[in-house]
Amino acid sequence: DAKTTQPNSMESNEEEPVHLPCNHSTISGTDYIHWYRQLPSQGPEYVIHGLTSNVNNRMASLAIAEDRKSSTLILHRATLRDAAVYYCILRWNYGGSQGNLIFGKGTKLSVKP
Amino acid sequence: DTAVSQTPKYLVTQMGNDKSIKCEQNLGHDTMYWYKQDSKKFLKIMFSYNNKELIINETVPNRFSPKSPDKAHLNLHINSLELGDSAVYFCASSLDRGTFSGNTIYFGEGSWLTVV
Repeated sequence: DAKTTQPNSMESNEEEPVHLPCNHSTISGTDYIHWYRQLPSQGPEYVIHGLTSNVNNRMASLAIAEDRKSSTLILHRATLRDAAVYYCILRWNYGGSQGNLIFGKGTKLSVKP
Repeated sequence: DTAVSQTPKYLVTQMGNDKSIKCEQNLGHDTMYWYKQDSKKFLKIMFSYNNKELIINETVPNRFSPKSPDKAHLNLHINSLELGDSAVYFCASSLDRGTFSGNTIYFGEGSWLTVV
């Protein structure tokens, strides 16, 4: 599976937007970009995923670069509950099969009141 | 309603013992997984089952044996526990492995295993 690079940690203030970057320069055409997050003492939780176009859902937005070599997860208004480790994962999807989720180190997001 | 539930949540046991962690999902999914998160917080897949059939078996000691009595359950049995087995074990499930939808994986809350 292609690798991703994320900052180890980021800080944000409550109610401000947060942009979490992810580099994936070796992404292939069959790789989807997935984001999961893990709150303290909980299991990972799906956030969003996309292939080429930007995506929005109730939790976040995903902005994908035109060359797909990087993406940014956007939390529009951070809350204290958003403090978690955020994982950017490439997951191949081809011919009716999908690859596993391969977790990296992720970005630990701290949210200050 | 908990979608993916695992028991026990905490388990402290001595080296050499045999223990099991149970997992159940009520989502009607076909695929279930076991992941291990070690002390450095790395999450790694251990096993994956699809409709009770083993499809992924990563490099895991054969002391670890998954069992799937039906597609809603995937239990993890560990023989001769070692200190290095101390970790958090997450059960997970997804609709199936063969769709183009992105196929969200749903995780349980984890089972904290401590071997002393």
